[in-house]
Amino acid sequence: TQLLEQSPQFLSIQEGENLTVYCNSSSVFSSLQWYRQEPGEGPVLLVTVVTGGEVKKLKRLTFQFGDARKDSSLHITAAQPGDTGLYLCAGAGSARQLTFGSGTQLTVLP
Amino acid sequence: SAVISQKPSRDICQRGTSLTIQCQVDSQVTMMFWYRQQPGQSLTLIATANQGSEATYESGFVIDKFPISRPNLTFSTLTVSNMSPEDSSIYLCSTEGGGHGYTFGSGTRLTVV
Repeated sequence: TQLLEQSPQFLSIQEGENLTVYCNSSSVFSSLQWYRQEPGEGPVLLVTVVTGGEVKKLKRLTFQFGDARKDSSLHITAAQPGDTGLYLCAGAGSARQLTFGSGTQLTVLP
Repeated sequence: SAVISQKPSRDICQRGTSLTIQCQVDSQVTMMFWYRQQPGQSLTLIATANQGSEATYESGFVIDKFPISRPNLTFSTLTVSNMSPEDSSIYLCSTEGGGHGYTFGSGTRLTVV
């Protein structure tokens, strides 16, 4: 069974601060995706990383895929209250199913 | 990417009854997935549903408890049968969106009393 561990589980910061969320596994994934979910909604895709060592930037969000394709990180610069939500990493395996990380609940205080 | 309409959005049900959740996709998709999620926590895959074949269930989930239908390439249902309070959760359907990641329905928040 492929497992993805996310840390931290909860994060509460002030507007303008930076933060990093980590996603680690002992398994190799063909790709890794990051989602954000708000209450009453399904997860929404932020980014997909495919290549080991890949770095993708989406405005204030920077995503990195580990060289061995077992881990990933999400860095948010100058967080805003609109960034508040549940962040989930998810690894794609050979069966086209997603294995989700344990989730990070982010709260950005104004 | 595909758009999924899921209903009901929430329901409160008596123990021992069953609830059927529906997901309608605005395009034809091969695979649909059903997940369960406790609020604020991760998603657990229940089963994968392909049109024209039996659903494939993950460990800990059985067809008698969570029967799934997939009558065509745009529609699927999940039934939560003989419900108990332990079944209270959020249920989500999903489909693979090609290069756009996976698309999710907005979820069904089920409370069993």
